[in-house]
Amino acid sequence: EPEVTQTPSHQVTQMGQEVILRCVPISNHLYFYWYRQILGQKVEFLVSFYNNEISEKSEIFDDQFSVERPDGSNFTLKIRSTKLEDSAMYFCASHRTVSGNTIYFGEGSWLTVV
Amino acid sequence: SQELEQSPQSLIVQEGKNLTINCTSSKTLYGLYWYKQKYGEGLIFLMMLQKGGEEKSHEKITAKLDEKKQQSSLHITASQPSHAGIYLCGADTGNQFYFGTGTSLTVIP
Repeated sequence: EPEVTQTPSHQVTQMGQEVILRCVPISNHLYFYWYRQILGQKVEFLVSFYNNEISEKSEIFDDQFSVERPDGSNFTLKIRSTKLEDSAMYFCASHRTVSGNTIYFGEGSWLTVV
Repeated sequence: SQELEQSPQSLIVQEGKNLTINCTSSKTLYGLYWYKQKYGEGLIFLMMLQKGGEEKSHEKITAKLDEKKQQSSLHITASQPSHAGIYLCGADTGNQFYFGTGTSLTVIP
């Protein structure tokens, strides 16, 4: 069974620090996503990425956030200067193509900002 | 923006009872996914439906997608405490993937 892997599984960081969350999507997948879930709330779309650029982003994905695919395998989400309200579970997902192929989610990275 | 309406928001049932959770989209979907989540944990994939009228079952959980591919239901037969958790539907609209608001299920022994 193909798998999307995320690291770290948990991270505690001080407010104002930079955080990088890493994802290894499935190898032949072309579309990549980040989602966020604040504890007890809905899973919210952050950003989608295709062909080495952002294809869509939500209003949550402001200038504090960035994504990149630095080496062709990892897909990272960077939060430049974390705030308390960034505390959440962050899910990475990948999709071979859109329109009907199965989307796969990682197990999530818990970020706690203190 | 695409909205997925999930109902009910929460459900409390006695062990052994049947229950149904619904998920409705305003647009025709390429795929409808069901996940289960324990509070504060990751997503557990349950089922994916793609064809209009499709129905899938796994153990005591059955999911159906209507012919128009806009509405899905998740049915649990003879619920057990192990079924407790948050159930989320997710929709592939062709150029985006959205989640429903979730249904919190409590099963009373």
